[in-house]
Amino acid sequence: AQSVTQLGSHVSVSEGALVLLRCNYSSSVPPYLFWYVQYPNQGLQLLLKYTSAATLVKGINGFEAEFKKSETSFHLTKPSAHMSDAAEYFCAVSTGGGNKLTFGTGTQLKVEL
Amino acid sequence: GAGVSQTPSNKVTEKGKYVELRCDPISGHTALYWYRQSLGQGPEFLIYFQGTGAADDSGLPNDRFFAVRPEGSVSTLKIQRTERGDSAVYLCASSLGQGSDTQYFGPGTRLTVL
Repeated sequence: AQSVTQLGSHVSVSEGALVLLRCNYSSSVPPYLFWYVQYPNQGLQLLLKYTSAATLVKGINGFEAEFKKSETSFHLTKPSAHMSDAAEYFCAVSTGGGNKLTFGTGTQLKVEL
Repeated sequence: GAGVSQTPSNKVTEKGKYVELRCDPISGHTALYWYRQSLGQGPEFLIYFQGTGAADDSGLPNDRFFAVRPEGSVSTLKIQRTERGDSAVYLCASSLGQGSDTQYFGPGTRLTVL
């Protein structure tokens, strides 16, 4: 079975500060890992994904994430937060076969002036 | 190009009624997924189609839930004898069908059971 844990249901940062959203996964086989963002009243949008190539993955809007097998982590970072980054972020894991994503419970990011 | 579309965007029904939720995937995507997102939670997997067949329906909570994709494109999620606990946002996604492929999500259908 696969699972995802997102530490911190709410994270608040100042505009221009580092964004760090945490994700730990559990999987018995090598996983595929994803970060999605959900803006209010909109669908989920893919930020980035790890598919067993480079461990440091760069995504859209300046976000990146590093796959660390030894720590079973896939934390999302952005060097400088912008007001437009305020949204809910979901980490998800898939163990291949073209099938289901297992999502974490999400982290609501607030960006303050 | 057009993304995943879902209709209706909102559905209000009474306990015990039958509802159908529709999903139009991205053209050419062979894989289609249904998820359910309850308030304050991440999406939970319901069912996955590869073409016309349900490849994995392990997430359907009980036999009141059923989904079809008869021509390998549009899919309908059907819920019989709705209960208040079925209230949630139902999300549909599609992909090219491999494990690492990106799933593209629709805006969802918000179902409210009174």
